[in-house]
Amino acid sequence: DTGVSQNPRHKITKRGQNVTFRCDPISEHNRLYWYRQTLGQGPEFLTYFQNEAQLEKSRLLSDRFSAERPKGSFSTLEIQRTEQGDSAMYLCASSPMGDTQYFGPGTRLTVL
Amino acid sequence: EDQVTQSPEALRLQEGESSSLNCSYTVSGLRGLFWYRQDPGKGPEFLFTLYSAGEEKEKERLKATLTKKESFLHITAPKPEDSATYLCAVQDGEETSGSRLTFGEGTQLTVNP
Repeated sequence: DTGVSQNPRHKITKRGQNVTFRCDPISEHNRLYWYRQTLGQGPEFLTYFQNEAQLEKSRLLSDRFSAERPKGSFSTLEIQRTEQGDSAMYLCASSPMGDTQYFGPGTRLTVL
Repeated sequence: EDQVTQSPEALRLQEGESSSLNCSYTVSGLRGLFWYRQDPGKGPEFLFTLYSAGEEKEKERLKATLTKKESFLHITAPKPEDSATYLCAVQDGEETSGSRLTFGEGTQLTVNP
């Protein structure tokens, strides 16, 4: 499978715990994006990387959120001290330079 | 700030009953308008990119069109397997916006056999 992959697909955690999600983009795509989607809404932009550089962060990305893309390959999104409001689908997408973004299957986070 | 509004929120069709979905947008400089299909519990699946007013793209029973203010996704003779949420997104050409996509809330399409 040469598409975008995300792990885990589902995560249930207790409020206050830290969680980390992984995204593996389509090989040779130098741009990688993170979005968040709640039920009945469209995806909302969180942040994006060009190679290993994080070029833009949304105001939605509070200090509890951090993303990395070491060596410009896979990316991780960490949420510290999770809150119930963090419950959502976290989507990763990749693209060649500025072109069409292809999405992964998402990670569904439930914070109890 | 970029804005995307999709209508209707939900649409029920009988198999074979053609219809259109609307996407109205406000953007300072359109770099691209994108249509995606999303099935429950899955990530969005790319359908089309439109770049300039007057452009049209087709794929099987779907046809997307673009004007300076809105885009339409026309569905001809739909089948039950076309049931999904259809998302519209815009990409702003301004330097400061990077290449983020701004999405609408989607139209949930149900096609009954």
